[in-house]
Amino acid sequence: QKEVEQNSGPLSVPEGAIASLNCTYSDRGSQSFFWYRQYSGKSPELIMFIYSNGDKEDGRFTAQLNKASQYVSLLIRDSQPSDSATYLCAVKSDSWGKLQFGAGTQVVVTP
Amino acid sequence: KAGVTQTPRYLIKTRGQQVTLSCSPISGHRSVSWYQQTPGQGLQFLFEYFSETQRNKGNFPGRFSGRQFSNSRSEMNVSTLELGDSALYLCASSLRTAQETQYFGPGTRLLVL
Repeated sequence: QKEVEQNSGPLSVPEGAIASLNCTYSDRGSQSFFWYRQYSGKSPELIMFIYSNGDKEDGRFTAQLNKASQYVSLLIRDSQPSDSATYLCAVKSDSWGKLQFGAGTQVVVTP
Repeated sequence: KAGVTQTPRYLIKTRGQQVTLSCSPISGHRSVSWYQQTPGQGLQFLFEYFSETQRNKGNFPGRFSGRQFSNSRSEMNVSTLELGDSALYLCASSLRTAQETQYFGPGTRLLVL
């Protein structure tokens, strides 16, 4: 079993709709959770981080964390073609720098 | 503030050779982590350095090594290259390690022939 799991997609979303991405993790001691966006041929770019249970909103993005269910999600509202990318969920389980990444979910926003 | 820089951006080597990649973190960042990204395995953690000390290491063979200098710049070295080492090597920096977000450099794309 992989430690961080994501649906690989592609997730096809009409422009203007909400994209919903899910991520589950296996280590109950995980402390910090991150969402990165990666365009093809580019390096990952940080979108959001979340440490506490509940929702965290930043512009069109909302991260949701449920530690009891070991589940973290990302919602993208009013999806735009520029949101077409691979979204990587990353989990930090200790106080040092190791991030464990999911395989990523490819999102395709169709005009 | 300048971002994370990595050099070189592209590299072609042959099997058996060795390679050294360089990473300069964001000014003021003292933690540098290295990751390997391949289509089959995704992003995998190699190691992390903080204040010139390796704090954490992933599940990679000893051919992969690294170091950090007093100015926080870091290098990673891969000896006796294998075809499977072809990948995008990413460096990420953060202010300190606990709960700090990591910012990635553009990566070095290594092709082993």
